[in-house]
Amino acid sequence: DAGVIQSPRHEVTEMGQEVTLRCKPISGHDYLFWYRQTMMRGLELLIYFNNNVPIDDSGMPEDRFSAKMPNASFSTLKIQPSEPRDSAVYFCASSLLAGQDTQYFGPGTRLTVL
Amino acid sequence: TQLLEQSPQFLSIQEGENLTVYCNSSSVFSSLQWYRQEPGEGPVLLVTVVTGGEVKKLKRLTFQFGDARKDSSLHITAAQPGDTGLYLCAGARGAQKLVFGQGTRLTINP
Repeated sequence: DAGVIQSPRHEVTEMGQEVTLRCKPISGHDYLFWYRQTMMRGLELLIYFNNNVPIDDSGMPEDRFSAKMPNASFSTLKIQPSEPRDSAVYFCASSLLAGQDTQYFGPGTRLTVL
Repeated sequence: TQLLEQSPQFLSIQEGENLTVYCNSSSVFSSLQWYRQEPGEGPVLLVTVVTGGEVKKLKRLTFQFGDARKDSSLHITAAQPGDTGLYLCAGARGAQKLVFGQGTRLTINP
């Protein structure tokens, strides 16, 4: 298996622009997680899905952030409009189960908002 | 509020030395995981501990889960440059989401 695939790997945009991050989970995994990592706040869970349904979005910072999972093999995280404080590395992870099951992380998308 | 506190946040030692990093919480977890993250990559699972007092070994790495399942430690013997990375602990309560600590950034100097 190719593992979790994320695109783009790097994104540089200007404040106010829309940003869309993409993720393809490992085939057969029922859970998909979106995380944000910064030096100040560490790794934060933004939202997670089970069988394409959002289960917990309490970590989404504000209404500018939205996530979708239209099918089992694709998810997007959208920021509109983007702000400099959104600059971070965004990770997607997938797992068979929740809780203590192993989460497999993608390589991340490094987002810089100027 | 950070549910899982890791210490130290930064550690730089010489090759061959031993070290211990800690992961502490006031909350009880049903299991605790340790991940290692290298620059430019996502975290990779090293081990999961589920029983209070459990000890697991992975070559030179020894992981322990506290008796009360509120804390954990990672001990590395004879550290090598390849051990350099960010070590993250993550706790789970049943089937709920994982909670990650801030991480310990470890540097092993040749």
